[in-house]
Amino acid sequence: DVKVTQSSRYLVKRTGEKVFLECVQDMDHENMFWYRQDPGLGLRLIYFSYDVKMKEKGDIPEGYSVSREKKERFSLILESASTNQTSMYLCASSLSSGPYEQYFGPGTRLTVT
Amino acid sequence: AQSVSQHNHHVILSEAASLELGCNYSYGGTVNLFWYVQYPGQHLQLLLKYFSGDPLVKGIKGFEAEFIKSKFSFNLRKPSVQWSDTAEYFCAVPRSDKIIFGKGTRLHILP
Repeated sequence: DVKVTQSSRYLVKRTGEKVFLECVQDMDHENMFWYRQDPGLGLRLIYFSYDVKMKEKGDIPEGYSVSREKKERFSLILESASTNQTSMYLCASSLSSGPYEQYFGPGTRLTVT
Repeated sequence: AQSVSQHNHHVILSEAASLELGCNYSYGGTVNLFWYVQYPGQHLQLLLKYFSGDPLVKGIKGFEAEFIKSKFSFNLRKPSVQWSDTAEYFCAVPRSDKIIFGKGTRLHILP
């Protein structure tokens, strides 16, 4: 079974802090994704990576950056956290050259106070 | 560009009732479609998928969906729901290597 793990289930940070969310997958998938999930808005893509050191902006990249130094690991960075970034963050991975299903991690609920 | 829309944001049913959740997609060439489910406190997981072939697709836990090209629809159905089907359901369409998700339908099953 594909396993996608995220570093924290719950995280509380203060406004202005730099926040790192880590995601690791164990199935050698080329593609990795970061979404945020908000009630009534569904899943919105923040960033997408299709290879090591390669990234592409999603629908809502403002205020976020990403890093992919190794194939299995994809990090989401909030350079200066703000209260409107309080949300559930989901990581996913998939094979490339789709359409392949994506496999999701358990999510990180981030609260910025 | 392909997109999906889900008609119902919140559905409440009693156990044993029949379920149908609506999903419409916008046309964009070859059509592939997914339904994902997120049970309370659990990760998002694939319920079923349509890539080609038989338009009636069977998924896990007794769910099925029918692809109707003339109606641009891919509605999710279950003949008799259980309390354990309480979850949020997302219709989704692949776009290149990405997936576009609908806004989701929260389903509450009353025991």
